[in-house]
Amino acid sequence: NAGVTQTPKFQVLKTGQSMTLQCAQDMNHEYMSWYRQDPGMGLRLIHYSVGAGITDQGEVPNGYNVSRSTTEDFPLRLLSAAPSQTSVYFCASRSDSTYEAFFGQGTRLTVV
Amino acid sequence: GQSLEQPSEVTAVEGAIVQINCTYQTSGFYGLSWYQQHDGGAPTFLSYNALDGLEETGRFSSFLSRSDSYGYLLLQELQMKDSASYFCAVSYSNDYKLSFGAGTTVTVRA
Repeated sequence: NAGVTQTPKFQVLKTGQSMTLQCAQDMNHEYMSWYRQDPGMGLRLIHYSVGAGITDQGEVPNGYNVSRSTTEDFPLRLLSAAPSQTSVYFCASRSDSTYEAFFGQGTRLTVV
Repeated sequence: GQSLEQPSEVTAVEGAIVQINCTYQTSGFYGLSWYQQHDGGAPTFLSYNALDGLEETGRFSSFLSRSDSYGYLLLQELQMKDSASYFCAVSYSNDYKLSFGAGTTVTVRA
C-alpha cells in the first residue's frame, strides 16, 4: 500500500519557470490538501479539495493553482516561480470517517 | 491564519516525561490534533481531541480543555527515537482545513 506519493522529491527552478508537483493517493480518500513548510513556521495550507471537481483556497494560495479531476490525484501548479516559494511542500489526504491525515514524503523546492 | 502557540523547544533525558502545551483561538474551534515529524520526514498523526479530557495511546496522551482553549501532548517514558518536532493543529470546522502551530522540537538526551 503506497499511501500518499509525491513527485519529484527534489526540484530546482529558475525564477519565472512553471512546474507541477504531483500528488497521488491510493486510499480512496475524499479530502486532499497541499501545505508548505518553512523553518519556524509550521505547515501552512495552500489549497485543499473535498472531492473530485471541488477545490478551495487555503491560507497562502497566491502563486499556486490546483485541480482535482480524479479522487486519486491532486497536482499543485506553480505558475511563475519566485524565490519566496522556496520551501518544502507536503501533500496530505484524509478519509471523511477519520481525523487522521496521511502525508506524502514531501517535495523540496528551491527557486533561484 | 488562526494563531496557535506552543513552545519552540524542549529538552529532556531518556525515561522522563514531557508535556507540550498548545493554546488556540476559540472562535469556531472544532478539534485539536497532534502530529510528529522526524527531521526531513513526513508528519505523522498522533492523536485527535474534540471533547474535553484525556486520550491515551501507549506512551503518548493528549488532553483538551475547550473552556481554557488549551491542550497538551504528554510524552511518557521518553526514548531517543522520540526526538522530533511535534505540532498541534486545530480544525475550525468539520472539514479538512487544519491550522498548524510552529512546532516544538523535543530533544531526548541519554
